[in-house]
Amino acid sequence: SQTIHQWPATLVQPVGSPLSLECTVEGTSNPNLYWYRQAAGRGLQLLFYSVGIGQISSEVPQNLSASRPQDRQFILSSKKLLLSDSGFYLCAWVPDSFGNTIYFGEGSWLTVV
Amino acid sequence: AQSVTQLGSHVSVSEGALVLLRCNYSSSVPPYLFWYVQYPNQGLQLLLKYTSAATLVKGINGFEAEFKKSETSFHLTKPSAHMSDAAEYFCAVSKGSGNTGKLIFGQGTTLQVKP
Repeated sequence: SQTIHQWPATLVQPVGSPLSLECTVEGTSNPNLYWYRQAAGRGLQLLFYSVGIGQISSEVPQNLSASRPQDRQFILSSKKLLLSDSGFYLCAWVPDSFGNTIYFGEGSWLTVV
Repeated sequence: AQSVTQLGSHVSVSEGALVLLRCNYSSSVPPYLFWYVQYPNQGLQLLLKYTSAATLVKGINGFEAEFKKSETSFHLTKPSAHMSDAAEYFCAVSKGSGNTGKLIFGQGTTLQVKP
């Protein structure tokens, strides 16, 4: 079966510290992968998406970056966190370029203090 | 450009009453439309989707939604609310096949179910 794993589930980081959130998908190949962020009391916003290894598109300018070192691995990073980076981060995937449903991971709660 | 507006950030109903969550969209191309539910501290779960087939879409947990192009609406309904339906609900739109993962979300509606 196809599943998505995301970790860590919760983390508290000081301002200025680095960040690494990891997402992996199982049971599929060449998926489209996405990172979304949900800030407190707000809807979800697409941050990055990837259609293949090494291919990253950024939707909004920000303090974060993304990488796709392997087909089924998607990483969200920051060199120095800001308070405004706090939020709920969701990894998601679509089976292929013509799939019509996106599936979300369980999410990672990030609190920057 | 695409956008989604969910009317009402909070909706409260009694158990057994009709649930109606409103969603209006704006899209320059035929849209795909989705409703997702989010329970506390969890990810998003797909309730139902419209992808240019039948305009009345049935989803999980007894929910359904009707695509009305003339009204640019995709309201979510359920005939009888259960306590377990209490959650946050998101309406979302994409540009259709090939862009499904690039969703524009509404701000969300929190559904409260009173006993």
